[in-house]
Amino acid sequence: EAQVTQNPRYLITVTGKKLTVTCSQNMNHEYMSWYRQDPGLGLRQIYYSMNVEVTDKGDVPEGYKVSRKEKRNFPLILESPSPNQTSLYFCASSPGGLNYSPLHFGNGTRLTVT
Amino acid sequence: AQSVTQLGSHVSVSEGALVLLRCNYSSSVPPYLFWYVQYPNQGLQLLLKYTSAATLVKGINGFEAEFKKSETSFHLTKPSAHMSDAAEYFCAVSDLSNTGKLIFGQGTTLQVKP
Repeated sequence: EAQVTQNPRYLITVTGKKLTVTCSQNMNHEYMSWYRQDPGLGLRQIYYSMNVEVTDKGDVPEGYKVSRKEKRNFPLILESPSPNQTSLYFCASSPGGLNYSPLHFGNGTRLTVT
Repeated sequence: AQSVTQLGSHVSVSEGALVLLRCNYSSSVPPYLFWYVQYPNQGLQLLLKYTSAATLVKGINGFEAEFKKSETSFHLTKPSAHMSDAAEYFCAVSDLSNTGKLIFGQGTTLQVKP
């Protein structure tokens, strides 16, 4: 089954404790991206990757890191999480990052930072 | 800059009634537009997309949307609501940067009453 898989689904952590949210897709998509969803704000892009070893900042990159060492994986790293990073996170992918290519989303990771 | 406005954060309809979810966009060039649906505890699923072909776009689950350039609108409709349509709906427009980024509206929660 074609899918984007995120882990974990739920995560509660404390301020400053480094964490990684994994994302993997099995569709051989070149483009991958991370979004955060907050009430009343919709989804905002954190980082994106057009291909292996190519990553760039989205609209809200502060406090996050990503890497793209393999085509299928695109982990999101929070080196020192803070409470304002409490949010619902989505990983997404598409075949080529073209403007008309719809994104395929994972099921989300709900992060709480206390 | 591209932007999307969804009118009404909550919409409530009776089962069998018409569903109308409003979306207005701002774009300096012909846009690519999308509607996504998010069921509880799930990721976003593509309902339909407009990519400058027919102005009336049919999607999954009986939904459709009409692109109206003069009104800069892309409203989502369904003739008869089902209980299973209760979800959050997001309108999105492709960013001009050709980076694959989608700009999302704030979302509209659809409630369907029996």
